[in-house]
Amino acid sequence: KAGVTQTPRYLIKTRGQQVTLSCSPISGHRSVSWYQQTPGQGLQFLFEYFSETQRNKGNFPGRFSGRQFSNSRSEMNVSTLELGDSALYLCASSSTTGGNEQFFGPGTRLTVL
Amino acid sequence: QKEVEQNSGPLSVPEGAIASLNCTYSDRGSQSFFWYRQYSGKSPELIMSIYSNGDKEDGRFTAQLNKASQYVSLLIRDSQPSDSATYLCAVNLDRGSTLGRLYFGRGTQLTVWP
Repeated sequence: KAGVTQTPRYLIKTRGQQVTLSCSPISGHRSVSWYQQTPGQGLQFLFEYFSETQRNKGNFPGRFSGRQFSNSRSEMNVSTLELGDSALYLCASSSTTGGNEQFFGPGTRLTVL
Repeated sequence: QKEVEQNSGPLSVPEGAIASLNCTYSDRGSQSFFWYRQYSGKSPELIMSIYSNGDKEDGRFTAQLNKASQYVSLLIRDSQPSDSATYLCAVNLDRGSTLGRLYFGRGTQLTVWP
């Protein structure tokens, strides 16, 4: 079974631009969560989607948004990029059965210049 | 304030030794507990999940959970240099939820020297 895929793997943007990241979960998984990882803050939760609905949101500004499609694929968008948005953005998928084991994709490394 | 705390390390052990990694969490009602391994430059990889008090063994890895003490640990027996990585403790602190966010500790960096 294929794992979680994320595209693109690397991005370089400048301040003020916007970016869209994509995530395809493991086949059959309907829950997708997004996390931001930085050396200073560690892994921080952005949001979680299930059945195209945002179920949970972390403490991030409104510039961070996401959505989920009917095939469970998810995208997140960051508008008006700031230098502090430079991070590894991780998508994790989980099945709705079992105990919420989340499996991470390889991540998207975003650099904001 | 929902928190997951790990001994910050770094932890250095010789090859063949037992590495012990510890984690405490803030919410007594938590139900799901996970250990992830993250190699430098890679994404976290799930290595253990535990939901009930006691021990759970998987190969060289043993997870231990004590809900009364709000404590979860990971033991790595017969440590190998390939175990050198950062180990992240993650807890579902949202009471009663079977889905939802994971709260992560800051990680413990483990080095196994030959």
